[in-house]
Amino acid sequence: DVKVTQSSRYLVKRTGEKVFLECVQDMDHENMFWYRQDPGLGLRLIYFSYDVKMKEKGDIPEGYSVSREKKERFSLILESASTNQTSMYLCASSSTGTGYQPQHFGDGTRLSIL
Amino acid sequence: GDSVTQMEGPVTLSEEAFLTINCTYTATGYPSLFWYVQYPGEGLQLLLKATKADDKGSNKGFEATYRKETTSFHLEKGSVQVSDSAVYFCALSGRGGSEKLVFGKGMKLTVNP
Repeated sequence: DVKVTQSSRYLVKRTGEKVFLECVQDMDHENMFWYRQDPGLGLRLIYFSYDVKMKEKGDIPEGYSVSREKKERFSLILESASTNQTSMYLCASSSTGTGYQPQHFGDGTRLSIL
Repeated sequence: GDSVTQMEGPVTLSEEAFLTINCTYTATGYPSLFWYVQYPGEGLQLLLKATKADDKGSNKGFEATYRKETTSFHLEKGSVQVSDSAVYFCALSGRGGSEKLVFGKGMKLTVNP
């Protein structure tokens, strides 16, 4: 069974801090994604990566960066955290193959910026 | 760009009631369509999918049919259970396994005994 593990379930940080959210998948998936989930807005894609060291901006990349140095790990970085980045963050991974390959999600990190 | 519009709720039903969650989409080409479900405290998981017109996806008693003529993918279940309480997301993706998903805003369903 695919497992996507996010390093923290809950995280509290202060404005201006540099924040790292880590995600690890154990199924050798090529694709990895970072979303944020907000009430009334659903899920919005921040960044995704289709290979090691490759990344593409999603719909709301401002204020975020990502790192993918190894295939199994995809990190989301808040360069200088702000209160409007308080949210639930979800990581997902999928393989590349014929037909649709579903995205598998982690349980999320609820991040509060004070 | 591509978009998904779905019922937002929240919705509260009694056990064994009939459930319909409406979903319509706007997309170029021929997207694949999905329903994802998020149980309390968990991430999303794929509930069902349909990859071409007239396909019917089904799982755990839920069904949805890809209707190209009405650009819809409504989710239905004939008799809901308390364990179906969750947030339901309609989503689409372009052709290909690595395409990003576009999600609706989600609908919270609570089923009371």
